[in-house]
Amino acid sequence: DAKTTQPTSMDCAEGRAANLPCNHSTISGNEYVYWYRQIHSQGPQYIIHGLKNNETNEMASLIITEDRKSSTLILPHATLRDTAVYYCIVRAQGGSEKLVFGKGTKLTVNP
Amino acid sequence: NAGVTQTPKFQVLKTGQSMTLQCAQDMNHEYMSWYRQDPGMGLRLIHYSVGAGITDQGEVPNGYNVSRSTTEDFPLRLLSAAPSQTSVYFCASRPDRRMNSEAFFGQGTRLTVV
Repeated sequence: DAKTTQPTSMDCAEGRAANLPCNHSTISGNEYVYWYRQIHSQGPQYIIHGLKNNETNEMASLIITEDRKSSTLILPHATLRDTAVYYCIVRAQGGSEKLVFGKGTKLTVNP
Repeated sequence: NAGVTQTPKFQVLKTGQSMTLQCAQDMNHEYMSWYRQDPGMGLRLIHYSVGAGITDQGEVPNGYNVSRSTTEDFPLRLLSAAPSQTSVYFCASRPDRRMNSEAFFGQGTRLTVV
């Protein structure tokens, strides 16, 4: 599975959009981009995933560049409860069961 | 649905003791797995199962045993606890092998071995 690079930490004002980048320059054509988050040592929570098209659900939007070498997770109206560590993961079709979480981005939403 | 339930939430063991961490899911998921998370690190896969009666090793399996006699349950056994096994343990499940199936995680078991 391809390696991902994320900033260590980010800050965002409450009510504003939070844009979390992820670089996955070695991604292959059959690899999906997944985002999970972990709030204060709770179990990780799935947010969204995509292959090459932009995706949106009730939690967030995922924007994947045309060359698929990077992506951005967008929380449109961040709240204090969105403070968490956000993980970008790349997984291949038919890949191993292992989810490689890395160190993620610590997002702090400030009042 | 309760989702993925882990028990206990907290546990202190003495070196050499054995114990079982319980994990149950009520979503009829085929895939279940165990991860450990150490301070400042990501999650590492210990063991996983692709269905009842089938288990396989992850990247850090030593010192742990698993079994999957039912679809719902996937217990993790520590045979002889060591301080290096102090960690937070997460159980996860997902429906099947499709790559667009998300993983659901339990709330974790915080284990301290003294």
